[in-house]
Amino acid sequence: GENVEQHPSTLSVQEGDSAVIKCTYSDSASNYFPWYKQELGKRPQLIIDIRSNVGEKKDQRIAVTLNKTAKHFSLHITETQPEDSAVYFCAASIRTGNQFYFGTGTSLTVIP
Amino acid sequence: DAGVTQSPTHLIKTRGQQVTLRCSPKSGHDTVSWYQQALGQGPQFIFQYYEEEERQRGNFPDRFSGHQFPNYSSELNVNALLLGDSALYLCASSLELGLGYTFGSGTRLTVV
Repeated sequence: GENVEQHPSTLSVQEGDSAVIKCTYSDSASNYFPWYKQELGKRPQLIIDIRSNVGEKKDQRIAVTLNKTAKHFSLHITETQPEDSAVYFCAASIRTGNQFYFGTGTSLTVIP
Repeated sequence: DAGVTQSPTHLIKTRGQQVTLRCSPKSGHDTVSWYQQALGQGPQFIFQYYEEEERQRGNFPDRFSGHQFPNYSSELNVNALLLGDSALYLCASSLELGLGYTFGSGTRLTVV
């Protein structure tokens, strides 16, 4: 089955700096890659997603890039704010309705 | 418009007991997936229900079973509870072939 690895496990940045989280996947059939933000004690919330026919997608301060050849995708957060502090999970799926394989999460701390 | 609703929010059970967790999907969603999230880990796929049938199953033993009702709500049953079953159980709903999941807030199960 699919194996998703996520790095780093923890990340601390100064407010206003950028944060980058990287994930790799093993199954070349995967073609949908969502990113979820989970604040302490709350539900995971979808923040951005990308399909394999697209190399990059941006939504305000958040962007995701995908390299199908290398089987890796990354989350980029610019101009970080303290409210960006949370655990971020990447995931991979063969299609949007299928089971998601999640990474182990990155705990992001934005220092004011 | 209600999102995904899970009950109960917290539960404490003794080893060997049985537990039933409940999920009401987001209005208009017809597919329900269940995930187990151990502390500090990413969610792990248990199974998915569509049209009242289990459509996909992750690597979980038969002690984990489920059901989907005609109104799309779903139950997760776990028999013969083990200490290792202690986790946050997340329900996610989606549209068949739709975009991504909407997660519920989860049920925190503690087995003592």
